[in-house]
Amino acid sequence: AQTVTQSQPEMSVQEAETVTLSCTYDTSESDYYLFWYKQPPSRQMILVIRQEAYKQQNATENRFSVNFQKAAKSFSLKISDSQLGDAAMYFCAYRGNNNDMRFGAGTRLTVKP
Amino acid sequence: GAGVSQSPSNKVTEKGKDVELRCDPISGHTALYWYRQRLGQGLEFLIYFQGNSAPDKSGLPSDRFSAERTGESVSTLTIQRTQQEDSAVYLCASSLTSGRWTDTQYFGPGTRLTVL
Repeated sequence: AQTVTQSQPEMSVQEAETVTLSCTYDTSESDYYLFWYKQPPSRQMILVIRQEAYKQQNATENRFSVNFQKAAKSFSLKISDSQLGDAAMYFCAYRGNNNDMRFGAGTRLTVKP
Repeated sequence: GAGVSQSPSNKVTEKGKDVELRCDPISGHTALYWYRQRLGQGLEFLIYFQGNSAPDKSGLPSDRFSAERTGESVSTLTIQRTQQEDSAVYLCASSLTSGRWTDTQYFGPGTRLTVL
């Protein structure tokens, strides 16, 4: 079974600085999707960014970018120019051939003004 | 509405009672997913619907849990004889298709279930 590991239960960053959240996963599949979701206190899960495993180019969405290392099975999220509104739980997720999603345990990000 | 909606937003029940949780997916989304999120933890996959059939029920934790879906619309998750360990936020998500290359899941706000 695929597993997703987020080794950082909590991270903090100064406003306007850059922070990187780590995620590793285990799979025997060659084609899959990876996601980062943000969950603010409102509980709403918000898609931040996604990456197709067959694409070598790292996905980027404005201030959010990923470092996808397929051989190492690593998928980190970089948040540049951090804003107070970025404070939330961040979940890394894996989606493979059987269509279910596997989530990591999450990283709580605090942004300091 | 434009997004996934869930009701109720909060549910408090007594141990042993049955509860029904409802999910209204985004119109036109054929795939629907249920997850459970215990306090301070990540999401745990429960069940997935493609249309009104459920090809993957592997995540349901026990036979007290069941889910139905009417066509490509509303889904209900039923928990019978609730236990305190069932206390969690239950999240629903929908996606346009179940095709691997197109389906981004959009989540509802969840139902917080508390079993006393």
